[in-house]
Amino acid sequence: SSELTQDPAVSVALGQTVTITCQGDSLRSHYATWYQQKPGQAPLLVMYRENSRPSGVPDRFTGSSSGNTASLTITGAQAEDEADYYCNSRVSNAHHFVFGPGTKVTVL
Amino acid sequence: QVQLQESGPGLVKPSETLSLTCTVSGGSVNNYYWTWIRQTPGKGLEWIGYVYYSGSTNYNPSLKSRLTISVDTSKGQFYLNLRSVTAADTAVYFCVRSAYTGSHYYMDVWGKGTTVIVSS
Repeated sequence: SSELTQDPAVSVALGQTVTITCQGDSLRSHYATWYQQKPGQAPLLVMYRENSRPSGVPDRFTGSSSGNTASLTITGAQAEDEADYYCNSRVSNAHHFVFGPGTKVTVL
Repeated sequence: QVQLQESGPGLVKPSETLSLTCTVSGGSVNNYYWTWIRQTPGKGLEWIGYVYYSGSTNYNPSLKSRLTISVDTSKGQFYLNLRSVTAADTAVYFCVRSAYTGSHYYMDVWGKGTTVIVSS
């Protein structure tokens, strides 16, 4: 299957920890990449190659993977972390790429 | 720092060709993969395809029969041409710089996006 699945929405209290997951068969052999998108803006790369953060992304963002599941954890969520988060990965046995449907993170 | 800017018609008639240009400023086109992504409210983000600076391409199979992505390194631009469009091609189109680290692909610089509406 070429699909990636994500929970539609999660909420987290300010300063608490939230984990967003992405599931798919392709994740057994390919890392997920994570993008954050705020309303009216382009997506922003926040995690790649499982647990690599681009310059400028706070270290409260961490990534991990196990089996067919990739996870993005925000430890000590801030108001500015409220956004949609999308995972992306290569399709198994193919050369193209697919996005998950996205998870809306609300910081309470 | 590298910046990307999409340009092109905001309105395209059904059955015609959607043509977009992405202009790269503040950096070189060389040694990167140049990707197009689109976003619709109904389908979320969709990976369209990319062109390497050398000209080799990789397309989404669902669009491949209608799609051409190309690059002009001398102009610092890359292009999207999507033929025989329908209302389903209405979306915000993003141009993106992408790269591989080992075999892992990531997209690290995004344009602001441009809205294209397919309508008569």
